[in-house]
Amino acid sequence: DAGVIQSPRHEVTEMGQEVTLRCKPISGHDYLFWYRQTMMRGLELLIYFNNNVPIDDSGMPEDRFSAKMPNASFSTLKIQPSEPRDSAVYFCASSLSSGSLEQYFGPGTRLTVT
Amino acid sequence: QQQVKQSPQSLIVQKGGISIINCAYENTAFDYFPWYQQFPGKGPALLIAIRPDVSEKKEGRFTISFNKSAKQFSLHIMDSQPGDSATYFCAARNNAGNMLTFGGGTRLMVKP
Repeated sequence: DAGVIQSPRHEVTEMGQEVTLRCKPISGHDYLFWYRQTMMRGLELLIYFNNNVPIDDSGMPEDRFSAKMPNASFSTLKIQPSEPRDSAVYFCASSLSSGSLEQYFGPGTRLTVT
Repeated sequence: QQQVKQSPQSLIVQKGGISIINCAYENTAFDYFPWYQQFPGKGPALLIAIRPDVSEKKEGRFTISFNKSAKQFSLHIMDSQPGDSATYFCAARNNAGNMLTFGGGTRLMVKP
């Protein structure tokens, strides 16, 4: 398996623009997680899905952030409008609900909002 | 209640030495404690994990020590190598769901 796939790897955008980050989890995994990593706040869980259903979105910073999982093989994290303070590395991770509890992380998307 | 506190923030160790990173938690509902290793430009990857019914787990040069009564756990890296230079995160999983709460991370540098 290719592992968790994220795109784009780097995104530079201007304040006020819409940003969409994409994630393809490992096939067969039924949990999907979105994290944000910054120097100041470390690794924060934004939202996670189980069987395509959002379970906990309490980590989503504000209404400008939204996430969807239309099917088992695809998820998006959207920021609209983007702000400079959204600059961070965004990771997607996936895992199984039984057996190993390991979360497999993607390579991340480095977002820069100018 | 969900917080996991990690120390130190950074650590410099000579090659061959022992690296020790500590974590503490408060939530007694945590039931799984993994350590993740992250290299620059990469996503975190699971290094080793422990459940609270075990006090120690060893995999190669990496050992987790777990103290349930003190709500503390630590990662020991024996015979540290320059290739171990990375950022290490402890984490804890709430048994009410499948989400992980991560510590703040420790940047380890092993000098040759």
